[in-house]
Amino acid sequence: NAGVTQTPKFQVLKTGQSMTLQCAQDMNHEYMSWYRQDPGMGLRLIHYSVGAGITDQGEVPNGYNVSRSTTEDFPLRLLSAAPSQTSVYFCASSYSHTYNSPLHFGNGTRLTVT
Amino acid sequence: DAKTTQPNSMESNEEEPVHLPCNHSTISGTDYIHWYRQLPSQGPEYVIHGLTSNVNNRMASLAIAEDRKSSTLILHRATLRDAAVYYCILGPQGGSEKLVFGKGMKLTVNP
Repeated sequence: NAGVTQTPKFQVLKTGQSMTLQCAQDMNHEYMSWYRQDPGMGLRLIHYSVGAGITDQGEVPNGYNVSRSTTEDFPLRLLSAAPSQTSVYFCASSYSHTYNSPLHFGNGTRLTVT
Repeated sequence: DAKTTQPNSMESNEEEPVHLPCNHSTISGTDYIHWYRQLPSQGPEYVIHGLTSNVNNRMASLAIAEDRKSSTLILHRATLRDAAVYYCILGPQGGSEKLVFGKGMKLTVNP
């Protein structure tokens, strides 16, 4: 059981470049979300999805787009990368959005924007 | 939003019990208390959660004060693998997006 898989593990971008961070889960989870974690800080919610075809903004959505065309996948797109987006990105999923189902996290993508 | 207060850091010794405190004096009646931990270079990992009664699972125990204004995560026998940042989080019934991960508390386990 792979759980939550994030790719790539590391990425270096130049300012203005675009890229997609991939997140896939094989647990048939309803809820998926993206967080960023900056040094010495907690995790901040970027976007989340309560099911296929449904997405919503979190605390820090600017500069990021998401889509949820399947239950399994929840990619995060950076359209024009900025140095302020240098961070570690975590994807998480849970069985149900409406109950206290534990969040399962991937191991993160470390992104550097120069 | 109700907030939690944790020490910045704690130290413990291997094979001894560890009590990790969390204050949440503004907790509402419907807020659950969640604990997650984050090992170095990994994503956070669910530990335990509860509402009013004490809870036990294979990883830890959660002791909740009678007035619910504080709680304690208990690791019964610390191992080196328990060294991590521990997050105490309040969240309502439903709404995973409402879980706010603060800075947490760093636990160091000495051999």
